Amino acid sequence: AQKVTQAQTEISVVEKEDVTLDCVYETRDTTYYLFWYKQPPSGELVFLIRRNSFDEQNEISGRYSWNFQKSTSSFNFTITASQVVDSAVYFCALSESTSGTYKYIFGTGTRLKVLA
Amino acid sequence: NAGVTQTPKFQVLKTGQSMTLQCAQDMNHEYMSWYRQDPGMGLRLIHYSVGAGITDQGEVPNGYNVSRSTTEDFPLRLLSAAPSQTSVYFCASSYSRTRRNEQFFGPGTRLTVL
Repeated sequence: AQKVTQAQTEISVVEKEDVTLDCVYETRDTTYYLFWYKQPPSGELVFLIRRNSFDEQNEISGRYSWNFQKSTSSFNFTITASQVVDSAVYFCALSESTSGTYKYIFGTGTRLKVLA
Repeated sequence: NAGVTQTPKFQVLKTGQSMTLQCAQDMNHEYMSWYRQDPGMGLRLIHYSVGAGITDQGEVPNGYNVSRSTTEDFPLRLLSAAPSQTSVYFCASSYSRTRRNEQFFGPGTRLTVL
């Protein structure tokens, strides 16, 4: 069965520190998709990135970067030089595309607090 | 485009009452879903739909019904509200039923059942 584990419940850093949010997933399928979403204090859910199982290249977008490693079933998210505006809950999610179950599975989220 | 809209934003119910949470999207998305968010539990899938007339259960479907008569609308019905259904409810939509795409979320409905 699918499963997404975000073991870090809450992380606190001081502004300008780098921080990595961990995501470990389980799936039996060879074709799947991974996502990260951000939920700021205002409550909305904002899509950050999508990665398919055949693309293991790391991705960088400004201060954000993502490290996808199939060998360890991990899809970690790093924020460089964190800012107070990065304070939010971050969710990792997994979706299969071949099982026919048409479901997204979310992790329990990591709350990031960036202190000024 | 309004994106995904949800009404109401807040609702208080008494145990045993029924109500419908409304969700609509104007992006012609095939896939729509309902989640509930509880502290420490992340987002849990209640029901989902891959197109008009097609719905299926998610992880926590008990106590909820859905229907999808049009591509745009996907209401969630609470049949007989219970305190355990106190939660924040999110509706989401995605372009393709093959689920390769990201989901767009509505602003959420905060429901309290007394």
